[in-house]
Amino acid sequence: GESVGLHLPTLSVQEGDNSIINCAYSNSASDYFIWYKQESGKGPQFIIDIRSNMDKRQGQRVTVLLNKTVKHLSLQIAATQPGDSAVYFCAEKISNFGNEKLTFGTGTRLTIIP
Amino acid sequence: EAGVAQSPRYKIIEKRQSVAFWCNPISGHATLYWYQQILGQGPKLLIQFQNNGVVDDSQLPKDRFSAERLKGVDSTLKIQPAKLEDSAVYLCASSPRLAGARTDTQYFGPGTRLTVL
Repeated sequence: GESVGLHLPTLSVQEGDNSIINCAYSNSASDYFIWYKQESGKGPQFIIDIRSNMDKRQGQRVTVLLNKTVKHLSLQIAATQPGDSAVYFCAEKISNFGNEKLTFGTGTRLTIIP
Repeated sequence: EAGVAQSPRYKIIEKRQSVAFWCNPISGHATLYWYQQILGQGPKLLIQFQNNGVVDDSQLPKDRFSAERLKGVDSTLKIQPAKLEDSAVYLCASSPRLAGARTDTQYFGPGTRLTVL
């Protein structure tokens, strides 16, 4: 069955360093991937997305890499700041008979150490 | 632009009681979603509306959960009767495009944290 999983449940990074959050997916039919950030007491917030026909996409301080060969997705955050502390979820979108369904992974808690 | 609004933010009930959650999506968003997020897990889709019609409710426990979006704007999610395992955060999200569009960003509300004792 389809599943989206994360390699590490927690990650601690020194402020100013770069961080990498990894995600594995199993459904090769997924055509769209999204990273969300969820702070305590808030709903998930869109960070960046990538289509399956791409292997890299950059945003402001964030880069998403997609390796379809090994079904692996990563989120790189450059020059981390205290405000980056949150739980990060990868999600995959699968289209089924015109309906799109978003499946979330478990999440990785990122802690930025001052 | 105002975000997705949800109420209440917190609710504590005893098992077998009923509870209802309310969601007001971003103005003009056609698609509305309800998710259940159990502590330590990612959100799980319960139901998806396109305007006032149900697009996907395959993961909604229909023996106790119900949801409606009568006028294609606000939505309510009800649990009757609640069980201990229903303790979770219930998230509402909305998106602007029609279901079936290639890409569609979902915007989430703050959620309602439900505790069933």
